[in-house]
Amino acid sequence: RKEVEQDPGPFNVPEGATVAFNCTYSNSASQSFFWYRQDCRKEPKLLMSVYSSGNEDGRFTAQLNRASQYISLLIRDSKLSDSATYLCVVKVGGSYIPTFGRGTSLIVHP
Amino acid sequence: EAQVTQNPRYLITVTGKKLTVTCSQNMNHEYMSWYRQDPGLGLRQIYYSMNVEVTDKGDVPEGYKVSRKEKRNFPLILESPSPNQTSLYFCATRREDEQYFGPGTRLTVT
Repeated sequence: RKEVEQDPGPFNVPEGATVAFNCTYSNSASQSFFWYRQDCRKEPKLLMSVYSSGNEDGRFTAQLNRASQYISLLIRDSKLSDSATYLCVVKVGGSYIPTFGRGTSLIVHP
Repeated sequence: EAQVTQNPRYLITVTGKKLTVTCSQNMNHEYMSWYRQDPGLGLRQIYYSMNVEVTDKGDVPEGYKVSRKEKRNFPLILESPSPNQTSLYFCATRREDEQYFGPGTRLTVT
C-alpha cells in the first residue's frame, strides 16, 4: 500500500462548481501536511499547508482528519485557471523526506 | 528575484555517458534536494542536503551522486546513466516546511 494515496482523476467540472479532493496517508506518525499545485510541465508550488484546525485561503479550504488519516482540499467557485494537478504531501515528524501523492488532476471547463 | 535555477532544462543522452545537472539558488536556504517525477509514481526524493558538505540519501538514490561544496549549488551527477533514469528532475530548496522547486530538467537516456 502506497504511503500517500490520491484519486488521480481527472475531475472534470464546470466553472463555478465546488470540487473536493481527498488524500489518505498510512503513517500515523505523520505530522505535516500540505497541498501543492502543479501546472502541466511546470514545477510544483505550495498551495497551502494543512493545519489541525483546518485552514481557509480565499476559495480554498483544507482539512485534516487525523482519526481517519486523510486530508482534504475543497475548491469553491472553480475558475478555469484552477485547472492543474493537486499534489498531497505528507511528512513524518523529524523526517527530512516528504512523501508526495501521485496527484489529482482537475479540469475546469467553461 | 528569489529563484531556483536548473541547467540544462532538456537533455537527451546515451547510456553510460556521464552527465551533471546543475542547481543553483539565491535564497540562502540551507536545505536543498533533488526529486524525480515519473508518470504514475509521483515525485520521489533522490538526495537531500541539510547544509554544505552534508548530504543524505532520499528514497531513490541508486545511480545518482550529489555534492554540496557551496550553499547555493547542489549538482546532481549521473556517472553512468541508464534508460530507467529517463525522467523529469526537480531541484528544490526549503525554508521551514515550504519547498521551492526549480523549473525542472527533462532527461532522456537512450
